[in-house]
Amino acid sequence: EVQLVESGGGLVQPGGSLRLSCAASGFTFSSYWMSWVRQAPGKGLEWVANIKQDGSEKYYVDSVKGRFTISRDNAKNSLYLQMNSLRAEDTAVYYCARDRAGTLAFDIWGQGTMVTVSS
Amino acid sequence: QSALTQPASVSGSPGQSITISCTGTSSDVGGYNYVSWYQQHPGKAPKLMIYDVSNRPSGVSNRFSGSKSGNTASLTISGLQAEDEADYYCSSYTSSSTLVFGTGTKVTVL
Repeated sequence: EVQLVESGGGLVQPGGSLRLSCAASGFTFSSYWMSWVRQAPGKGLEWVANIKQDGSEKYYVDSVKGRFTISRDNAKNSLYLQMNSLRAEDTAVYYCARDRAGTLAFDIWGQGTMVTVSS
Repeated sequence: QSALTQPASVSGSPGQSITISCTGTSSDVGGYNYVSWYQQHPGKAPKLMIYDVSNRPSGVSNRFSGSKSGNTASLTISGLQAEDEADYYCSSYTSSSTLVFGTGTKVTVL
């Protein structure tokens, strides 16, 4: 079964750090661009970052540039999001998603992991 | 990058057709044929319904169709069913090699 499973969410204080993980199974992980997408409570979807198959290209939404880092380990079929200098506005469910063909259309999504930034 | 503009809500009776618009700029919707549409039920992850403006993934009902004219993309749901009640989001590739989502539309089946 093709599947993405996120982990690592939780409660963190403003200014703190958190590392999210996404475990992929059922497909050749190394063949796909991957993205992180977040959704604040009661709000819409926001694309956060993506990474090329070999990790050589990475792109970020302006609001997280310099604070978040996307990475992957193809040997472990895993995607990561290192989040530093967290702010209240980063509070959201974070989804990892598979890009079906490199055009930022996401055909497989994880169940999401909740990140809450609060003192 | 500002979010693409969608109507906050659209409603229709069972069997009717509805259309959701998604308006951007020449730097996103108008500049590329990389518009996607997602359906999201409460508490669930989004589901891809349309990609590359008008293509349906395997398993998605042919009642869902997409199109684009200039800076505005559209999703049409024909033969509206109760299970179609959900939030819908468009998205587009941008000139900055990033992605922008729409503001989201709540579809209500009357």
